[in-house]
Amino acid sequence: DAGITQSPRHKVTETGTPVTLRCHQTENHRYMYWYRQDPGHGLRLIHYSYGVKDTDKGEVSDGYSVSRSKTEDFLLTLESATSSQTSVYFCAIAQAGETAEAFFGQGTRLTVV
Amino acid sequence: AQSVSQHNHHVILSEAASLELGCNYSYGGTVNLFWYVQYPGQHLQLLLKYFSGDPLVKGIKGFEAEFIKSKFSFNLRKPSVQWSDTAEYFCAVNLYKLSFGAGTTVTVRA
Repeated sequence: DAGITQSPRHKVTETGTPVTLRCHQTENHRYMYWYRQDPGHGLRLIHYSYGVKDTDKGEVSDGYSVSRSKTEDFLLTLESATSSQTSVYFCAIAQAGETAEAFFGQGTRLTVV
Repeated sequence: AQSVSQHNHHVILSEAASLELGCNYSYGGTVNLFWYVQYPGQHLQLLLKYFSGDPLVKGIKGFEAEFIKSKFSFNLRKPSVQWSDTAEYFCAVNLYKLSFGAGTTVTVRA
């Protein structure tokens, strides 16, 4: 398995609180992605990064922000968690952009109550 | 914008049956296409990918997919499924970001 670690693996938080999820890689891959997985919707891209401090929005970016200050770390922050953000969040990495295989982390199950 | 649609939400079949999952994408230019599989409780893993060349692509575990440019399709096939193929299957396209379809849950009855 590719060296991707997501933390925490499980989290329960209250509505309105900020939450930060961390993705850490040891592969030195350039691209990093955050997805959320919900039944019936597959994986939807939240944000992605194509280098240190280079990030862009995905299709469901509202309510989320990201930061990448180092190659190995990509942080996803829920500014003020809502129940609609209850989901499983996956981080993925890829060596290059369009043709490279993406490797996925184990996922973080987030519950907002 | 690129988008990916998968035709079947849930497929149930018996062992040894043949499997075909449909995938269509909306972008008209050159695309890079993938099929990923997610076994219960696990993360996604790559089954196969297509960038160029032979439109019939072979992947792991006996899976193959055919790219038909005129139909904007990239369908996944397996001639004879096993119980261990029970999983969720995702088609994906990568133009400048990796986008996934909604997924197809495949249940194989022993």
